[in-house]
Amino acid sequence: AQRVTQPEKLLSVFKGAPVELKCNYSYSGSPELFWYVQYSRQRLQLLLRHISRESIKGFTADLNKGETSFHLKKPFAQEEDSAMYYCALISGTYKYIFGTGTRLKVLA
Amino acid sequence: DAGVIQSPRHEVTEMGQEVTLRCKPISGHNSLFWYRQTMMRGLELLIYFNNNVPIDDSGMPEDRFSAKMPNASFSTLKIQPSEPRDSAVYFCASSLALGTSGSHQETQYFGPGTRLLVL
Repeated sequence: AQRVTQPEKLLSVFKGAPVELKCNYSYSGSPELFWYVQYSRQRLQLLLRHISRESIKGFTADLNKGETSFHLKKPFAQEEDSAMYYCALISGTYKYIFGTGTRLKVLA
Repeated sequence: DAGVIQSPRHEVTEMGQEVTLRCKPISGHNSLFWYRQTMMRGLELLIYFNNNVPIDDSGMPEDRFSAKMPNASFSTLKIQPSEPRDSAVYFCASSLALGTSGSHQETQYFGPGTRLLVL
């Protein structure tokens, strides 16, 4: 079955500490993976996609096919990073499968 | 562009009443998605339209839910009759699908959501 798993509902870190939001997937084929973010009172928006291989707001994510993971990382967390983060993959041509999300709280 | 527009932003209704949620996608986008967000299940795709045609409604929970897209700039999601377990945030998203039969999806842009509470 195609599935995205985010094992942590809540992750709290101190400002300046490294952050890793975990995402594991189950998919037969070559997945296309994304991270979406929802800041307080804002819309869900794309943070990054693995095919772009880019760093957005200091975040990076590497696709590890061996471990079927796409963890989101940032070396130094900022308070403004506090938000809800969703990992997602595209199944087929259009169907996004989202994880249940991880709420990141960056403490001062 | 104002982005994807949804109305109402909040809806409180009583069990058994009909609820209609509305969405205006980004101009020029040819794909539209309705999602439901709950604490327990996260974001679930309810239905997907491409060029105003429903392509996949396998996520629609039951016959009480229906969705239409009469034209490229408007879609509705209707729940009749509503039940307390339908309480959730409902998101609409649009994107531009390229290639044959929408084979390549660009980024999805989400609306602000409609927070529905059924008492």
